[in-house]
Order: sequence, then C-alpha cells, then structure tokens
Amino acid sequence: AQSVSQHNHHVILSEAASLELGCNYSYGGTVNLFWYVQYPGQHLQLLLKYFSGDPLVKGIKGFEAEFIKSKFSFNLRKPSVQWSDTAEYFCAVIAGYSSASKIIFGSGTRLSIRP
Amino acid sequence: GAGVSQTPSNKVTEKGKYVELRCDPISGHTALYWYRQSLGQGPEFLIYFQGTGAADDSGLPNDRFFAVRPEGSVSTLKIQRTERGDSAVYLCASSLQRDNTGELFFGEGSRLTVL
Repeated sequence: AQSVSQHNHHVILSEAASLELGCNYSYGGTVNLFWYVQYPGQHLQLLLKYFSGDPLVKGIKGFEAEFIKSKFSFNLRKPSVQWSDTAEYFCAVIAGYSSASKIIFGSGTRLSIRP
Repeated sequence: GAGVSQTPSNKVTEKGKYVELRCDPISGHTALYWYRQSLGQGPEFLIYFQGTGAADDSGLPNDRFFAVRPEGSVSTLKIQRTERGDSAVYLCASSLQRDNTGELFFGEGSRLTVL
C-alpha cells in the first residue's frame, strides 16, 4: 500500500532562514504529489502540486518542491521564511490516475518561525 | 457559502452513543472525501465518494463507521456505539475533477469528543 513519510516532526527556524521539509513516498508507479498547509486556526489548503512535466514546481507564497523519482522524494523548499509561514505542512500522494484512487497524507511537519 | 461546510463544528458525546456528522461540499464537486485527524497526526483517509457511490471505503476502521451520499452532494458520516478512541477532528473535502488530479478543498472539520 502506498504511504507517505515526513521525517521532520517539528522544525524551528529564524526568519530569513532557508527551509527544506522532507517527504518520501512508497509507490513504484505514476504518482501525483501535493503539499498542503494548515495555518493556525484555519483549514487545510493546497500549497502546490505535481502531476507531470518539470519536476520543479512552484506554489504560492514563494514555496517550491522538487520531485526526484529515483529517490521517491518530493521535498518542500523556501529560500527565506517569514514569521507568517508558521503552520503545519502535509505532504500527500495519489498513486496512479484511477478515479478510485485516494489521496494519502503524511503525518505532517510543524514549522515554527522565530521572529 | 462558497466553501465546504461541516456541521456540527463541535460534538461532545458519551461512550456508546450514536453520532452523525454532516458535510456540504462545494456545488458541482463530484468527489467527496472523509478524513480523520488525531492530535499531532496527518489526515487519515476514511472513505471517498465519486457521485453517490463510495469509490473506496477501505479506510473505515470498522463496521461502526458508515457514510452515505444519497444525492451526490451532501454526505453524512455515521458512527455507532462511539468509543473514546473515536475522538478526533473529522475532515471533509471535495474536489471537482473525477480523476483526482484536482485540488482538495477542505472544510473546517467537526471535532468529536467521546467521554
């Protein structure tokens, strides 16, 4: 069965630091990959997604993620974080393109930014 | 409203009672998901509807859990004989695309507490 691993449970950074959050998935075939974010007190919302094409995808608020098929990874990056980036970040995957496919989420990484 | 609506936002019940949680998706969205999120964890897949039918209910933990979507719009998650371990935030999400390449739009969730 497909699964998603986020190894960093809690990351603490200072403003302007660079960010990289790890995400690995287990599935050998075609995948669609997502990063969702949950700001304090708000609902989950999409940050960015990868379906095909350029493995470097850009999302909202300066975030980007790189799909590395050989490493089964889809790490999230941002060159310079802001205090407003404090949130919980979830990586998610769909295996294949079937209409019966479900989206599986990782356990999340809590990001705390020191002002 | 324009977003996914979930009611109630909070539900406190006693062990052994029956609970219903309602989700009103974005108009026109054919796909509807139920997830469960415990503290410090990512959303755990429960069931996924395409239209009126459950395309995948493999995430329902046992036969105390059941969900319906009779007219392909509003969905109800039903939990019988609730247990303390059922306490969690139950999230509903909807999506426009039939092939699951689309963005999931989440509701605010229903927080269930079983005493």
